[in-house]
Amino acid sequence: SQTIHQWPATLVQPVGSPLSLECTVEGTSNPNLYWYRQAAGRGLQLLFYSVGIGQISSEVPQNLSASRPQDRQFILSSKKLLLSDSGFYLCAWSAKSGSPNQVQYFGPGTRLTVL
Amino acid sequence: GNSVTQMEGPVTLSEEAFLTINCTYTATGYPSLFWYVQYPGEGLQLLLKATKADDKGSNKGFEATYRKETTSFHLEKGSVQVSDSAVYFCALMWAGTSGSRLTFGEGTQLTVNP
Repeated sequence: SQTIHQWPATLVQPVGSPLSLECTVEGTSNPNLYWYRQAAGRGLQLLFYSVGIGQISSEVPQNLSASRPQDRQFILSSKKLLLSDSGFYLCAWSAKSGSPNQVQYFGPGTRLTVL
Repeated sequence: GNSVTQMEGPVTLSEEAFLTINCTYTATGYPSLFWYVQYPGEGLQLLLKATKADDKGSNKGFEATYRKETTSFHLEKGSVQVSDSAVYFCALMWAGTSGSRLTFGEGTQLTVNP
């Protein structure tokens, strides 16, 4: 069966510090991968998605970036964190089967607090 | 563009009460519709889905019917339990130029008291 991991689970970082969040998927190959952010008390915002190694699409311009160095690894980064980067970051994967309506499966999330 | 509007929360119910969480959508074409649930401190779990008009998704006693004529996908459960306390997200999936995307509603917080 497929599983999705995220780490760290929680993170407290000072403003201006760098960030690296990691997401890995097991039990599938060539998945679509997604990064979402959930700000406190609000819905989910799609930040990045990837259909393959090195292929990243950005949905929202900001000081975050994403990379996909391996097929089942998706990394969210920042060079300098802002207070507004605080939130709950969720990684998700979906299969590629030709159907445009594939289910997305979510990881456990990383809670980031920027002070 | 595509959007999802959910009933504002929080919703507080007593155990065994009937639950309805309203969800309406705006979309071009015929999206698939989903309900996800987020328990405290956790990621999102797929609760149920429907891929075409008049489909009914169901799971764990929850149901939702894809109503094209009213562009709605309301979530219902006949008798809620304390363990159903969570945030519920309605979402639609549409096909972009580089793959499918999910658009979420703002979420509805449900608290069930014993």
